[in-house]
Amino acid sequence: AQTVTQSQPEMSVQEAETVTLSCTYDTSESDYYLFWYKQPPSRQMILVIRQEAYKQQNATENRFSVNFQKAAKSFSLKISDSQLGDAAMYFCAYRSGTGTASKLTFGTGTRLQVTL
Amino acid sequence: KAGVTQTPRYLIKTRGQQVTLSCSPISGHRSVSWYQQTPGQGLQFLFEYFSETQRNKGNFPGRFSGRQFSNSRSEMNVSTLELGDSALYLCASSLGAGVEETQYFGPGTRLLVL
Repeated sequence: AQTVTQSQPEMSVQEAETVTLSCTYDTSESDYYLFWYKQPPSRQMILVIRQEAYKQQNATENRFSVNFQKAAKSFSLKISDSQLGDAAMYFCAYRSGTGTASKLTFGTGTRLQVTL
Repeated sequence: KAGVTQTPRYLIKTRGQQVTLSCSPISGHRSVSWYQQTPGQGLQFLFEYFSETQRNKGNFPGRFSGRQFSNSRSEMNVSTLELGDSALYLCASSLGAGVEETQYFGPGTRLLVL
């Protein structure tokens, strides 16, 4: 079974600085998708960024970018120019790219605090 | 386009009762998935529906069931509620059932079982 590990329960960053959240996963599959979701205090899960395993290029969405290391099974999220609104729980998630299983497997989350 | 909506947003029940939660996907989305979020177990997959058919089911007891209607709206039902069923229940929709699809989440229903 696939597992997703987020080893940093909490992180803190100053406004305008850069922070990197870590995620590792375990799978025997070669085709899969990886996601970062943000869950603010409102509890609504918001998609931040996604990465297809077959793509070598790291995904980027404005201030958010990933460092995808397929061989190392690592998928970290970098937030540049951090803003107060970035404060939230961040979840890394995995989805198999084979068969019909479309469920997301989530990590335990990293709580990000943004300070002035 | 309106996002995923879930009703009710908050619910208080007592042990032994049953509860039905509703999810309306984004217009045009045909796949709906349900997840349970608790402090102890984190986010866990419950089930997925596509075209009124359950495609995938997580490791939950039979007290948890669901269905999907022809308009893609979905309901999940929990019978004989237990204290441990207290959780945030999240619904997510996607356009199709392909593994490449991105799931978009609703605001969740917070269930408290007393």
